[in-house]
Amino acid sequence: EAQVTQNPRYLITVTGKKLTVTCSQNMNHEYMSWYRQDPGLGLRQIYYSMNVEVTDKGDVPEGYKVSRKEKRNFPLILESPSPNQTSLYFCASGLGLGQFFGPGTRLTVL
Amino acid sequence: AQKITQTQPGMFVQEKEAVTLDCTYDTSDPSYGLFWYKQPSSGEMIFLIYQGSYDQQNATEGRYSLNFQKARKSANLVISASQLGDSAMYFCAMREGHQAGTALIFGKGTTLSVSS
Repeated sequence: EAQVTQNPRYLITVTGKKLTVTCSQNMNHEYMSWYRQDPGLGLRQIYYSMNVEVTDKGDVPEGYKVSRKEKRNFPLILESPSPNQTSLYFCASGLGLGQFFGPGTRLTVL
Repeated sequence: AQKITQTQPGMFVQEKEAVTLDCTYDTSDPSYGLFWYKQPSSGEMIFLIYQGSYDQQNATEGRYSLNFQKARKSANLVISASQLGDSAMYFCAMREGHQAGTALIFGKGTTLSVSS
């Protein structure tokens, strides 16, 4: 079954404590991306990757890092989380009609 | 200027009625794609329907249809015969051009509430 998995699904953390949200896909997609969703703002792209070792900034990259060492994985790293990064995060794999979204990670930074 | 505009923060409809969710877009690229997603309270993003800028006919998927008016730059979602399970947030999104790496641009969403 084609799918995008994210972990954890829910996370409550404190300001400044580094965290990683993992994302994995089983469809051999080259393109992967991260979005954040905030009330009244819709989804906004954080980072994307067009292939292994190829990443680039989206619309709201400040405070985030990503890496793409393997085709299937695209982790999102928050080196020093702040309360304004409290949000619902989605990993997506593929492009256009072939794009699949992960189930989402609800992050709260206290 | 916003690329995707959804002017209805919330819509209320009774079961079995049809409902139209509005979406207007702004692009100068002749090649683009328009998407609608459903987000139930559980949070996942569910793809509903797609319309390409060069498609001659309006897209349909079961009870969902997309009323594509290119000159008006509108891509309204029509849900026929609403069901209680249609209660959710609905997002309109656009992807411009054929360039790899182009992000989906989302509207702010419309919350649909279906009552019995």
